[in-house]
Amino acid sequence: EPEVTQTPSHQVTQMGQEVILRCVPISNHLYFYWYRQILGQKVEFLVSFYNNEISEKSEIFDDQFSVERPDGSNFTLKIRSTKLEDSAMYFCASGGRVEKLFFGSGTQLSVL
Amino acid sequence: QQQVKQSPQSLIVQKGGIPIINCAYENTAFDYFPWYQQFPGKGPALLIAIRPDVSEKKEGRFTISFNKSAKQFSLHIMDSQPGDSATYFCAASMDTGRRALTFGSGTRLQVQP
Repeated sequence: EPEVTQTPSHQVTQMGQEVILRCVPISNHLYFYWYRQILGQKVEFLVSFYNNEISEKSEIFDDQFSVERPDGSNFTLKIRSTKLEDSAMYFCASGGRVEKLFFGSGTQLSVL
Repeated sequence: QQQVKQSPQSLIVQKGGIPIINCAYENTAFDYFPWYQQFPGKGPALLIAIRPDVSEKKEGRFTISFNKSAKQFSLHIMDSQPGDSATYFCAASMDTGRRALTFGSGTRLQVQP
């Protein structure tokens, strides 16, 4: 079965540093998402991306966050100046013509 | 109004038992209700989903029951197996699932041999 690939699997950074989380969605998918899960808590929506623009974002997705699809295959989440509370597992997801979403295995971000 | 409330937080059943996980929602604009299964170190994986125009959907050993008037839905796992031990999340979305998923808080299921 096709899968969503995320890199790196773990990222450790210092508070205030910029991080870029990378995702390769399933190749013929049109809808792209970022979610995050703080340890032991529920999965939370960050942003959705369709037709090369943000289609929806949550209140978590403030000016410190941005997304990009730089080359037609990768989908990235950038956090400009990381805070301690940004520590979480970040999941990329993609969807095709039907509503089923496929999630990647996540990037565990630790902000020290 | 966007919350999805899930219970119980954890559940232990014996092999062959039928664990039931319940969810309730407030927003009547939700029209897509999936259940996700998550193993440690992995992303959520879609198990089964239902639309509000049906009251029940079955796929293999997994059944969703949906009560539109009560704004509740539940997951039943028939003949549960130790391999079903995982965290289960209900979720809800608008626009047939294209919009943001609002997840419940999760249920950690343990199926004992």
